[in-house]
Amino acid sequence: QVQLQESGPGLVKPSETLSLTCAVSGYSISSGYYWGWIRQPPGKGLEWIGSIYYSGSTHYNPSLKSRVTVSVDTSKNQFSLKLSSVTAADTAVYYCAEYFGSGTGWFDPWGQGTLVTVSS
Amino acid sequence: QSVLTQPPSASGAPGQRVTISCSGSGSNIGTYSVCWYQQLPGTAPKLLIYRNNERPSGVPDRFSGSKSGTSASLAISGLRSEDEADYYCAAWDDSLSSVVFGGGTKLTVL
Repeated sequence: QVQLQESGPGLVKPSETLSLTCAVSGYSISSGYYWGWIRQPPGKGLEWIGSIYYSGSTHYNPSLKSRVTVSVDTSKNQFSLKLSSVTAADTAVYYCAEYFGSGTGWFDPWGQGTLVTVSS
Repeated sequence: QSVLTQPPSASGAPGQRVTISCSGSGSNIGTYSVCWYQQLPGTAPKLLIYRNNERPSGVPDRFSGSKSGTSASLAISGLRSEDEADYYCAAWDDSLSSVVFGGGTKLTVL
């Protein structure tokens, strides 16, 4: 049974870079599949950030593409998110999830999520 | 404003059947399959339906999905108090080259 757990700072200053890691257990990332990041501002809906294949190929939300980097570390069985030049609008709960690939909106399972607040 | 349009709220009494709609366009629902997620208060979203109408193991058959043209629907029969949650539809959008979500529907069990 695949389980995912997000980790990272809960508070980031404006203009700095948000960095999160998603640890995967119960499955070896190097065996295949895609992995993704989704966020949810407080009281609002879901927004896809980007996805990565185990080989390292990525696909980003065009609205965030200039600021997003998703990477994978198969040796640690985890993947990561970096979002640069953050503002208060980036305050959200960030979720990682297993993703069933381009052409779908299919994420399962999800991590529990981690709240990141952008504030000085 | 979300690419996929859902009603902001829905409600029903215990035991009733409710339907939540998700309206899109030819570049998303009209071409690609739809997924539905349930988000209970304070928790992460959980996959309810994939490929328009398939249920993951463990999801009760009270939940069903359908798709016609550029719209999709989630039906919940035999409504229970524990079904009170936010529900989201999702699909791939070719024009945006992006996963798109509906704005979410808050279901209240009266």
